[in-house]
Amino acid sequence: IQLTQSPSSLSASVGDRVTITCRASQGITIYLAWYQQKPGKAPKLLIDAASTLQSGVPSRFSGSGSGTDFTLTISSLQPEDFATYYCQHQLHNYPTFGQGTRLEIK
Amino acid sequence: EVQLLESGGDLVQPGGSLRLSCAASGFTFSGFAMSWVRQAPGKGLEWVAGLYGSGAGISYADSVKGRFTVSRDNSRSMLFLQMSSLRPEDTAVYYCAKDYIFGDGYWVFDLWGRGTLVTVSS
Repeated sequence: IQLTQSPSSLSASVGDRVTITCRASQGITIYLAWYQQKPGKAPKLLIDAASTLQSGVPSRFSGSGSGTDFTLTISSLQPEDFATYYCQHQLHNYPTFGQGTRLEIK
Repeated sequence: EVQLLESGGDLVQPGGSLRLSCAASGFTFSGFAMSWVRQAPGKGLEWVAGLYGSGAGISYADSVKGRFTVSRDNSRSMLFLQMSSLRPEDTAVYYCAKDYIFGDGYWVFDLWGRGTLVTVSS
């Protein structure tokens, strides 16, 4: 199963609403997670099961979708949100990641 | 403290071997599947291998199948990755990652180590 994220990179300003999409090559119901990674750091799990926000993750982050099309939305960008975001599916004992979306400050 | 700590990364020649270790603490290690995930310099994340808590289920990425072996020692809360026939394209930071859900492989990762760098070059 391949995951394709769009866009690959994105420039935005503090306070903007941002949406990142992830498309699966076949249906994966809701078996999709989202991670945030900052330079030189390990990834951090943000969302599981397409829309379940992890404990401690700010409510400005939200996820939606099912089947093949998914979105990660940040409702009002904060300075600490500038990072790279990855989607990941977990099926068939062969998890794979999207190629990543780099979110940069405009 | 709940944490994972990788070690064993090094510079190795193509065709060589290396063993990575991951020490876990602060949680019931034997109850969770564990994985290795790698990241080549400037590139994205690639899942490499995973192992159920019991050790009964093992899975590998196609890119490493037949060359890498994942194992665990639950008595010591340790995860290992034995890498052989290494290639330049195996150069990456290797992360140890814990499954989010207790039990067999769920393959969503809620705890990551800091990573250990493997460089394959002559």
